[in-house]
Amino acid sequence: GENVEQHPSTLSVQEGDSAVIKCTYSDSASNYFPWYKQELGKGPQLIIDIRSNVGEKKDQRIAVTLNKTAKHFSLHITETQPEDSAVYFCAASKGNQAGTALIFGKGTTLSVSS
Amino acid sequence: SAVISQKPSRDICQRGTSLTIQCQVDSQVTMMFWYRQQPGQSLTLIATANQGSEATYESGFVIDKFPISRPNLTFSTLTVSNMSPEDSSIYLCSVLEGGYTFGSGTRLTVV
Repeated sequence: GENVEQHPSTLSVQEGDSAVIKCTYSDSASNYFPWYKQELGKGPQLIIDIRSNVGEKKDQRIAVTLNKTAKHFSLHITETQPEDSAVYFCAASKGNQAGTALIFGKGTTLSVSS
Repeated sequence: SAVISQKPSRDICQRGTSLTIQCQVDSQVTMMFWYRQQPGQSLTLIATANQGSEATYESGFVIDKFPISRPNLTFSTLTVSNMSPEDSSIYLCSVLEGGYTFGSGTRLTVV
């Protein structure tokens, strides 16, 4: 079945450094790739997403890149801050049908120390 | 984006009992989904809640264990039936409106 692999599972950086999280997906029909941030006791919050017709998208300190040929996408956070500490999940749509659900990676626990 | 209210936020239940979780959205949405997040794990799709018809369940999840209702375009319920400690998880409602939005979840502990 469809699968999303996410690496690393944990990531520790110093404040101000960059953080990169990588995901690969198996379903070549997937066309939507969101990233979520989940803080303790809360539901996942969408931080950025990208569609298959775009190679890169940026929103302030956060960027996502997509390589459809290789079926992988990455989250880049620059100038990290302690409040960026959370669990980050990548996801891919199940196929390319409208309204399909998401398949999630296993998550990356990011710790930013000051 | 849509605002989701999920109730209860947490509960501790006895094994063998059932719990119904409610998901209320502040706007009409076509697609609603239910996910399970086991402790320290990722999100796993349980089912897609279809308005006016039976839910579509993922492999490993069955209607008898997780009955779902979707009476209108703003509301859905998920029932966790005949609970065992293995059902202890966070249960999350999600809707598709532009992007996918999640509720804050229901933290269920079965003792």
